[in-house]
Amino acid sequence: QKEVEQNSGPLSVPEGAIASLNCTYSDRGSQSFFWYRQYSGKSPELIMSIYSNGDKEDGRFTAQLNKASQYVSLLIRDSQPSDSATYLCAVNFSGGYNKLIFGAGTRLAVHP
Amino acid sequence: EPEVTQTPSHQVTQMGQEVILRCVPISNHLYFYWYRQILGQKVEFLVSFYNNEISEKSEIFDDQFSVERPDGSNFTLKIRSTKLEDSAMYFCAERRNNEQFFGPGTRLTVL
Repeated sequence: QKEVEQNSGPLSVPEGAIASLNCTYSDRGSQSFFWYRQYSGKSPELIMSIYSNGDKEDGRFTAQLNKASQYVSLLIRDSQPSDSATYLCAVNFSGGYNKLIFGAGTRLAVHP
Repeated sequence: EPEVTQTPSHQVTQMGQEVILRCVPISNHLYFYWYRQILGQKVEFLVSFYNNEISEKSEIFDDQFSVERPDGSNFTLKIRSTKLEDSAMYFCAERRNNEQFFGPGTRLTVL
């Protein structure tokens, strides 16, 4: 069974702090990893994609991938109340037609 | 950037009725997907559609489900005889440059 695991939270951080969200996945052969943000009642919105080991930065967001540990994370710097949402980790497991397997999501709450 | 659209935004139906959910992707893309999310649960893959054919489907996607691209633009998900447990948000997604972009979703409520 191919799985993606996330801590459900809530993760509560003060405004301006760094929020760190983590995800592990079961299939060592996976190649593509994605972070989505989902506001309540809305659809998933793509924030970052990462394919290679290491860090990838985009504005206040940094995705980190460690394939040996089967671990992917998302850092949000200078967190804002508008970042409060559920963050979904999604993995494109090997052998499929690029279907995404989602984790249950981590709820982030940024308080002023 | 153009976005995937879905209609209706909310569909209420009686158990046993047929529903058709529609998605209008950006033209000239070949890969499309349907996902669903039951309230409070994970986003789940239903089916992928490549070059106008089903390329992969999940265990959820049983005989009561079907997908079509009837006119080369709209992309539909049909549920033939709805059950209470089909109540969920249904999202279509299209793939661009190995990334998937989701439509706003259709909330299906089965009474």
